[in-house]
Amino acid sequence: AQSVTQLDSQVPVFEEAPVELRCNYSSSVSVYLFWYVQYPNQGLQLLLKYLSGSTLVKGINGFEAEFNKSQTSFHLRKPSVHISDTAEYFCAVSGPFNKFYFGSGTKLNVKP
Amino acid sequence: DTGVSQDPRHKITKRGQNVTFRCDPISEHNRLYWYRQTLGQGPEFLTYFQNEAQLEKSRLLSDRFSAERPKGSFSTLEIQRTEQGDSAMYLCASSQTRAGNSMVEQYFGPGTRLTVT
Repeated sequence: AQSVTQLDSQVPVFEEAPVELRCNYSSSVSVYLFWYVQYPNQGLQLLLKYLSGSTLVKGINGFEAEFNKSQTSFHLRKPSVHISDTAEYFCAVSGPFNKFYFGSGTKLNVKP
Repeated sequence: DTGVSQDPRHKITKRGQNVTFRCDPISEHNRLYWYRQTLGQGPEFLTYFQNEAQLEKSRLLSDRFSAERPKGSFSTLEIQRTEQGDSAMYLCASSQTRAGNSMVEQYFGPGTRLTVT
């Protein structure tokens, strides 16, 4: 079975500071992982994805994530956040027939 | 490519009424998914279509819920006899699968927020 745990429901951070949003997954099949961002009252926008190959994945808006098979993690990082990064972030694992299983989300609150 | 669109964006209805939502996927995407997102939670899978065929339904989808994708293009999700517990954001997503590569990202629409009073 597939499942995702996002360990932090809220992460406050000051502008220009680095941030890490944690994601741990469980999967009984091949692992395909995604991070999405959701702004208020909007749908989900893909930040980055891991399908295979290099374990360090770069995405849009300066975000990157590292796939760690031994720790079953896929943490999202950004070296310097902006006010505009304030949003909710969802980690997802893809299961059979490409169904997505999402974590409960992490709200990133960037303070000036 | 105009993205995935959903209509309406917001719907307020009284308990017991029927509601119908529409999703227009990215053109030529062969897969279409419906998810439900309640407050403070991530999206949960409801059902999906491969072209016009509905291939799987979650146990979250009670008998009051029905979804169609009649011509393999747009899809509708109908909820009959709505209950307060149906209040949520209903998200639609689409993807294009190719032979030998079934794992692709899903593109999400803006969602329909349903409030049942």
